[in-house]
Amino acid sequence: AQTVTQSQPEMSVQEAETVTLSCTYDTSESDYYLFWYKQPPSRQMILVIRQEAYKQQNATENRFSVNFQKAAKSFSLKISDSQLGDAAMYFCASDTSGGSNYKLTFGKGTLLTVNP
Amino acid sequence: NAGVMQNPRHLVRRRGQEARLRCSPMKGHSHVYWYRQLPEEGLKFMVYLQKENIIDESGMPKERFSAEFPKEGPSILRIQQVVRGDSAAYFCASSAGTGVSPLHFGNGTRLTVT
Repeated sequence: AQTVTQSQPEMSVQEAETVTLSCTYDTSESDYYLFWYKQPPSRQMILVIRQEAYKQQNATENRFSVNFQKAAKSFSLKISDSQLGDAAMYFCASDTSGGSNYKLTFGKGTLLTVNP
Repeated sequence: NAGVMQNPRHLVRRRGQEARLRCSPMKGHSHVYWYRQLPEEGLKFMVYLQKENIIDESGMPKERFSAEFPKEGPSILRIQQVVRGDSAAYFCASSAGTGVSPLHFGNGTRLTVT
């Protein structure tokens, strides 16, 4: 079974500073995607960023970027210039449907607090 | 442009009752997925449906759970004879296809079994 591990149950950051959330995964797939989702108190799952495993270049979306280390099976999320609205639970996920991107395996999440 | 709509937002059922959870996908999306989130856990895949077809139900419990996505109307996740262990948040997602199309999630239905 594929697993996704988030070793930090909780993290905190000062507003305007940078924080990195860790994620490691285990997969036997040769073609897969990796994702970071954000879940604010509203409970909605919001896609933050995704990475295609065959692409060596790290994905970036505005203040969000990833550090993808394929050999180490590591996929960390960096949030720059943190804002109060970034406070949420963050889930790392890997695709286990061979690139079809519908059967995602999620980690247990990291609760991010942003301090003013 | 409405997103994925789930209702009800909260549902309370007594043990042994039936729970019906509804999901209307985003406009133009014909692929629907159900996930379950137990307390302190990440989401776990349950089932993938297209109109009138179940494509992958590998994450569905073998008994008491069923899902449908009829030609007309929302997708329904049905749980018969609920037990306390069914208490969870149930999320629906939709997409325009598989592969590059990302999943768009709804706000979930929180089911509490008393």
